[in-house]
Amino acid sequence: DIQMTQSPSSLSASVGDRVTITCRASQSISTYLNWYQQKPGQAPKLLIYEASSLQSGVPSRFSGSGSGTDFTLTISSLQPEDFATYYCQQSYYTLPITFGQGTRLEIE
Amino acid sequence: QVQLQESGPGLVKPSGTLSLTCAVSGVSISSSNWWAWVRQPPGKGLEWIGEIFQTGSTNYNPSLKSRVTISLDKSKNQFSLTLRSVTAADTAFYYCAQAPDTRAWRLDYWGQGTLVTVSS
Repeated sequence: DIQMTQSPSSLSASVGDRVTITCRASQSISTYLNWYQQKPGQAPKLLIYEASSLQSGVPSRFSGSGSGTDFTLTISSLQPEDFATYYCQQSYYTLPITFGQGTRLEIE
Repeated sequence: QVQLQESGPGLVKPSGTLSLTCAVSGVSISSSNWWAWVRQPPGKGLEWIGEIFQTGSTNYNPSLKSRVTISLDKSKNQFSLTLRSVTAADTAFYYCAQAPDTRAWRLDYWGQGTLVTVSS
């Protein structure tokens, strides 16, 4: 299985801050990397697919980058509704599909 | 718009069988999408269970493959999950989701999720 490791596991930030979350794959996955946001009591929501493509309807303050094994999700200016848990997920050729362990973003 | 809704028993006895259904609306289940199940133990991370295509082709997580079956019911526009020989470790929120049939596989629509508890 391809292991996905996110860092940090949690972080505290303030409204207006720029935040970066990192995801590292245990082997190269090209750009087959997606990012999801999950709020308490809700299903995950797709934010970014194929490493850097913004899902329709997602605010432009969210962006993704990376290829190979190292990827980042950046929120350019945190809004109150952005406090949630974020997951990366790889969809490279080999099954199973795997997710990172999650990064919990909390209000400072 | 595309909507998915899980349904099924919220309580299953150990060694029993977990059965869930996902009703799909806004898109035909015969369209070019994969139909997936993902689970999440309370307070923990996400685990991909498996998926099915409109042809009936399936992919399963090897860690669950011996116990899982995913099937389609085109007449009702829904798909189902069966997990056999359950234990407390199978207690989780179960989500159904859609993934477009493209190389850039991603889960773009999700159901709200349903909690299944395995307990006697």
